[in-house]
Amino acid sequence: DIVLTQTPLSLSVTPGQPASISCKSSQSLLHSDGKTYLYWYLQKPGQPPQLLMYEVSNRFSGVPDRFSGSGSGTDFTLKISRVEAEDVGVYYCMHRVQVPRTFGQGTKVEIK
Amino acid sequence: EVQLVESGGGLVQPGGSLRLSCAASGFTFRSYNMNWVRQAPGKGLEWVSYISSSGSTIYYADSVKGRFTISRDNAKNSVYLQMNSLRAEDTAVYYCARDGYSSILFDYWGQGTLVTVSS
Repeated sequence: DIVLTQTPLSLSVTPGQPASISCKSSQSLLHSDGKTYLYWYLQKPGQPPQLLMYEVSNRFSGVPDRFSGSGSGTDFTLKISRVEAEDVGVYYCMHRVQVPRTFGQGTKVEIK
Repeated sequence: EVQLVESGGGLVQPGGSLRLSCAASGFTFRSYNMNWVRQAPGKGLEWVSYISSSGSTIYYADSVKGRFTISRDNAKNSVYLQMNSLRAEDTAVYYCARDGYSSILFDYWGQGTLVTVSS
């Protein structure tokens, strides 16, 4: 199985400041079809997860443009340009290059 | 509005069985692939099972293979997870999640149903 390792595991950010989360894969997430299947989800407290980004850098419908994704191969990053109070929660990366889909351990983002 | 509503969770003894249901509404259910994802208390997310829109393709995580069975009834807009030989480590909130069009995955989630395996 592909292992996704997120760093840091927790992050405390001042509102208005940027934040960055890394997701490193044990194998390349570049599929034979040429696409890279890396996703980001946010689970707000007491809620189910919600999709933020798909295929590395595509924002899902309704996701603010302060969120951006980048990376290739095995190294990926989710960036929040200016953290807001509503961004608190646990962020997970996930792949779908092969079965099983696996998630990173999660990164908890808190507001200072 | 897309809605996914899980039901069927509860307390069960080790070795017991439960059947989870996920009722879908607000979209053409028969056109979408569906999944179950679980989250143990205070832990991260674990994908459990996948079923294609027609039901012809099914996958399981190794941790549940041979014990869990996913199915769907497109006439009833529902997906199910039959869980047998339950273990303490199966204790989790179980979420139903839809795969969207193309490569958009887990675009909608239900609120989850809690399964507790304990004597």
